[in-house]
Amino acid sequence: QKEVEQNSGPLSVPEGAIASLNCTYSDRGSQSFFWYRQYSGKSPELIMFIYSNGDKEDGRFTAQLNKASQYVSLLIRDSQPSDSATYLCAPRRPGGYNKLIFGAGTRLAVHP
Amino acid sequence: EAGVAQSPRYKIIEKRQSVAFWCNPISGHATLYWYQQILGQGPKLLIQFQNNGVVDDSQLPKDRFSAERLKGVDSTLKIQPAKLEDSAVYLCASSPGDREETQYFGPGTRLLVL
Repeated sequence: QKEVEQNSGPLSVPEGAIASLNCTYSDRGSQSFFWYRQYSGKSPELIMFIYSNGDKEDGRFTAQLNKASQYVSLLIRDSQPSDSATYLCAPRRPGGYNKLIFGAGTRLAVHP
Repeated sequence: EAGVAQSPRYKIIEKRQSVAFWCNPISGHATLYWYQQILGQGPKLLIQFQNNGVVDDSQLPKDRFSAERLKGVDSTLKIQPAKLEDSAVYLCASSPGDREETQYFGPGTRLLVL
């Protein structure tokens, strides 16, 4: 079992729709979770992070966390073609030192 | 504020040759990370420095990879000798400390081993 599992995609959604990206993780001790966006040929950039169960909203992005189910998701509302990228889920390994374990990412394609 | 700087941006070498990558983190950031990202995979942490000390190198292939951060600022990552499977993007990231803080990534060095 991989430490972090994401559907590789591509997830294709029409412009203006909601894109839902899912991630499961194996380490029950993980307490914080990061979502990075990576455009093709570019480096990852932080979208948002979440520590507490429930939802966290930031503009068009909403992160959802369910620690009991070991599940974290990212919703993108009003998807735009510029959102087309790979989205990386990264739980922080417990025990200090800020070590992130990255999933392989989900490729999102938003078509006009 | 200047971001994380890396050089070179691209490198092509033949197997068994050596190569070195350089990284300069964001000013004032104590923690520096080197990641390897193979095509189609997420970044994998190779080594993490807190100031000039190593705090995690559990996934660094120490028979061929080495890294240093002598003055607690910039860092170099070396591969000697390179293998075909080392073809990847090498990403450097930095964060202010070692707590739950955002890691900021540099542009990466794309390595192709022939």
